[in-house]
Amino acid sequence: ETGVTQTPRHLVMGMTNKKSLKCEQHLGHNAMYWYKQSAKKPLELMFVYNFKEQTENNSVPSRFSPECPNSSHLFLHLHTLQPEDSALYLCASSQEGLAGPYEQYFGPGTRLTVT
Amino acid sequence: GQNIDQPTEMTATEGAIVQINCTYQTSGFNGLFWYQQHAGEAPTFLSYNVLDGLEEKGRFSSFLSRSKGYSYLLLKELQMKDSASYLCAVIDSNYQLIWGAGTKLIIKP
Repeated sequence: ETGVTQTPRHLVMGMTNKKSLKCEQHLGHNAMYWYKQSAKKPLELMFVYNFKEQTENNSVPSRFSPECPNSSHLFLHLHTLQPEDSALYLCASSQEGLAGPYEQYFGPGTRLTVT
Repeated sequence: GQNIDQPTEMTATEGAIVQINCTYQTSGFNGLFWYQQHAGEAPTFLSYNVLDGLEEKGRFSSFLSRSKGYSYLLLKELQMKDSASYLCAVIDSNYQLIWGAGTKLIIKP
């Protein structure tokens, strides 16, 4: 595997279900991100992990719970979601340095539908 | 607040040239990215500008004017495969990446 991989690619879940999204990066990067992408809206940054430490949490509802066990893996645990949470969830990684962020490499995303 | 403006949609003809504009109002500036995203796929990096001027990379060029808060992506010799969304993103003074909503480019034969 190369680049950034995400599983599953598609997920349909009821509002009472619990599921997890998985992301893995094979680029040796030190930062990983979760984004939400809704139609015709800017990418919404949800969480940032830098060297496995969470550095950003942009007022995301607690029904989304991230986990970063190491610098190559990132999870997003989902529970009691709402229909408005239906979107494309993108994972990205980058190599952060003193000069600031470098370009981010994205995974193919998980298309989530909440029924 | 922080804001990035791009046209929602543009249409161009195969073989032609198209310019996609991006204007930004952010708290500080530390660079600007352009990404390409085909439908149902991940965004992929196209270019990075931090100094004023034009950066050329094959058929794609990106221009930046920091004093005007303005950038454009220029695509030459358009091909059908260039049909995609083009995302503009700015790094602000806190090194946060602020994203535009993207411009959907439709290429017609």
